[in-house]
Amino acid sequence: QSALTQPASVSGSPGQSITISCTGTSSDVGGYKHVSWYQQHPGKAPKLMIYEVSNRPSGVSNRFSGSKSGNTASLTISGLQAEDEADYYCSSYTSSRTRVFGTGTKVTV
Amino acid sequence: EVQLVESGGGLVQPGRSLRLSCTASGFTFGDYALTWVRQAPGKGLEWVGFIRSKAYGGTTEYAASVKGRFTISRDDSKSIAYLQMNSLKTEDTAIYYCTRDISPGTSYFDYWGQGTLVTVSS
Repeated sequence: QSALTQPASVSGSPGQSITISCTGTSSDVGGYKHVSWYQQHPGKAPKLMIYEVSNRPSGVSNRFSGSKSGNTASLTISGLQAEDEADYYCSSYTSSRTRVFGTGTKVTV
Repeated sequence: EVQLVESGGGLVQPGRSLRLSCTASGFTFGDYALTWVRQAPGKGLEWVGFIRSKAYGGTTEYAASVKGRFTISRDDSKSIAYLQMNSLKTEDTAIYYCTRDISPGTSYFDYWGQGTLVTVSS
């Protein structure tokens, strides 16, 4: 199972919006709603930001939103803030009943 | 408060074995699947494997990179999950996280431990 493809880096200015893509296949991203996104600050454990493509857990800012089209899922961060600077990873369920992560995207504000 | 605490990491020689533990609290451990995720130094996240709850057979799935070498088990009476790692390779060097896995019917990891570092080196 190959890792899902994400851009290595995305940058934006405070207040702007950015979008991170996560491209897989019909055997993972394209085949299921089970796509989630995680934020990881340096030296910290990852934190769930989005689940089931577009759902936000309690406590996560509504500046974070998710969507999916075909084999590509996306995470959008609106109103970019300094605290959003981190690494972001997507994850998907797969047809092999396993899970796979994306390659990761470093967001710079 | 949900907590997951990994332990058992350390320095081990290639070819040797190591067992990691994940001690849970703050929720009904037996009702949930548990997933192990690792992160090599400076690299991205890699899904290692998971164990279903007993209600769904307590069965396991593994990534191809560890299948046949790693085994996940659970002791619901102690709220502990284990990752038994055999025939360790230098490329298994990573921080190992345990996560609470929300499945089946969906699939995501809502709580993570702080991780334990495994270094495989001679």
